[in-house]
Amino acid sequence: GAVVSQHPSWVICKSGTSVKIECRSLDFQATTMFWYRQFPKQSLMLMATSNEGSKATYEQGVEKDKFLINHASLTLSTLTVTSAHPEDSSFYICSARSLGTGGSQTQYFGPGTRLLVL
Amino acid sequence: QQPVQSPQAVILREGEDAVINCSSSKALYSVHWYRQKHGEAPVFLMILLKGGEQKGHEKISASFNEKKQQSSLYLTASQLSYSGTYFCGTDSDDYKLSFGAGTTVTVRA
Repeated sequence: GAVVSQHPSWVICKSGTSVKIECRSLDFQATTMFWYRQFPKQSLMLMATSNEGSKATYEQGVEKDKFLINHASLTLSTLTVTSAHPEDSSFYICSARSLGTGGSQTQYFGPGTRLLVL
Repeated sequence: QQPVQSPQAVILREGEDAVINCSSSKALYSVHWYRQKHGEAPVFLMILLKGGEQKGHEKISASFNEKKQQSSLYLTASQLSYSGTYFCGTDSDDYKLSFGAGTTVTVRA
């Protein structure tokens, strides 16, 4: 399957600081990437859809000014958690959409980034 | 809207079979199945497109009933490596996936 990388895999920061997470599609171009958040023992919740060259589309209830998304190229999307607080601590996972056989659109996930805000 | 998965959890002995169901209240374009191990990101298993089904991935297969807006994942002759949480992701033709709550599968020797 297609390969998606995320960096960093772990980040611990103080409350009030900003954290930037990178998501890269390594062996394919992705015009669309997705950012999810997952709390322990819960499902994946879509935060936003990142579109190359245009503004991200945020899901209801997700603060766009707090979670800044930039999709600067066909292989890179970044999520910046601004002024992070302890309640932002979570597992953040990106996925990239790859065109498969028969027109199917498969989403491949990155390895995820664990954020702990102290 | 999130699809509904059942059961929430299942415990198997090696070699046993299990079925995981996923149902949606919305018309579906495709259903995607993933497996997530503890502390890791979800791994893609297979995608089922409207009007068909696809098999692939060890002895794991799936079906998609578009009329009933349901999909089922079949774990056959389970192995220890099948342990994990299985998620179905449903796509209502806008390419965004909504994930079910997950089914935790534990396979014991």
